[in-house]
Amino acid sequence: QKEVEQDPGPLSVPEGAIVSLNCTYSNSAFQYFMWYRQYSRKGPELLMYTYSSGNKEDGRFTAQVDKSSKYISLFIRDSQPSDSATYLCAMSAGGNQFYFGTGTSLTVIP
Amino acid sequence: SQTIHQWPATLVQPVGSPLSLECTVEGTSNPNLYWYRQAAGRGLQLLFYSVGIGQISSEVPQNLSASRPQDRQFILSSKKLLLSDSGFYLCAWSKGLAANEQFFGPGTRLTVL
Repeated sequence: QKEVEQDPGPLSVPEGAIVSLNCTYSNSAFQYFMWYRQYSRKGPELLMYTYSSGNKEDGRFTAQVDKSSKYISLFIRDSQPSDSATYLCAMSAGGNQFYFGTGTSLTVIP
Repeated sequence: SQTIHQWPATLVQPVGSPLSLECTVEGTSNPNLYWYRQAAGRGLQLLFYSVGIGQISSEVPQNLSASRPQDRQFILSSKKLLLSDSGFYLCAWSKGLAANEQFFGPGTRLTVL
């Protein structure tokens, strides 16, 4: 079983839609959770960082962590064509090891 | 603020040739440094990480090697490239004592012909 599972998509939504991206994980020791946005042929850009359970909001982005279900989500409100990218989830138990999902490809159609 | 640089951005090399990719970080000291390879649909594969000068941990046996000659410099090398070494190479850094977040460079796209 992979440490982190992420649906690769692709996901296609109309402009203005609410997007929900999700990852599940198996290691209960994970307590640091990240979401990255990666445009084609670019390095991943850190979007959201959350420690332990709960919600974090930054503009149109909301990250949720449910440690009891080992499930994390990223919500994008009022999605824009510029949000079209691959979104990677990542997590860590606090050491030097980071575990990544394979990424979900998102296209927002104008 | 911290920034991370990688070069070259793109590289095309023949099989059997040597490789040297460089990564430098600015605006922080004693970072943890990482080399990843990203293949389409397969996510990020950790190749090496370093917690200090001269300290390298290898995650995957391969014909690549890494070195950290200075605190904020990380180099990925190979003596003889294989076709299978083609990919997108990413350098990343995290804070040394509390490695809670990881920040990536712009990447190097390597094509081995």
